[in-house]
Amino acid sequence: GNSVTQMEGPVTLSEEAFLTINCTYTATGYPSLFWYVQYPGEGLQLLLKATKADDKGSNKGFEATYRKETTSFHLEKGSVQVSDSAVYFCALSNSGGSNYKLTFGKGTLLTVNP
Amino acid sequence: DADVTQTPRNRITKTGKRIMLECSQTKGHDRMYWYRQDPGLGLRLIYYSFDVKDINKGEISDGYSVSRQAQAKFSLSLESAIPNQTALYFCATRGLAGGKDTQYFGPGTRLTVL
Repeated sequence: GNSVTQMEGPVTLSEEAFLTINCTYTATGYPSLFWYVQYPGEGLQLLLKATKADDKGSNKGFEATYRKETTSFHLEKGSVQVSDSAVYFCALSNSGGSNYKLTFGKGTLLTVNP
Repeated sequence: DADVTQTPRNRITKTGKRIMLECSQTKGHDRMYWYRQDPGLGLRLIYYSFDVKDINKGEISDGYSVSRQAQAKFSLSLESAIPNQTALYFCATRGLAGGKDTQYFGPGTRLTVL
């Protein structure tokens, strides 16, 4: 079955530091890959996505590249801010259609200090 | 106004009680989902529905039931709550946003079973 493995947190960084959160996956076929963010006290929001190999998703300074050869979708940001403090979830879905379901990683808590 | 709303936002109940969590959406989406979030486990799918007549079990459906009363409403019930059902519960819908297939999450319901 499908599965997502992401680096365990918590991750604590200083403002303007470089961020990497690793994510690898196991799936059949050609899944779409996602990063969701959950700010304190809120629901999940889609941060970025990629639907095929070598696609790069980007949003709010965050980037992730769909690497089929390494089955990875690592999240990166060059300079984090305090407002980026949140829990980040990597997820995948099968190729869509009536069987669409998301499979989530366990989440990584990021804390950015001033 | 929020596109996906959940009621109640917080609930404390006792073991053995029947509990219903409600979800409403204004997105007009056919597909709706219930997840639970536990620390260190990410989100796990409980049930999902592709239309009013189509209900499917997710990976952890035992102890839960659902009802799709209308396209816009999808409720989750715990017939006899137990303490290990203490978790944060999220409802979600799926549809298109800017031409992209996206899942929208509600703000969550925090349930505590004593």
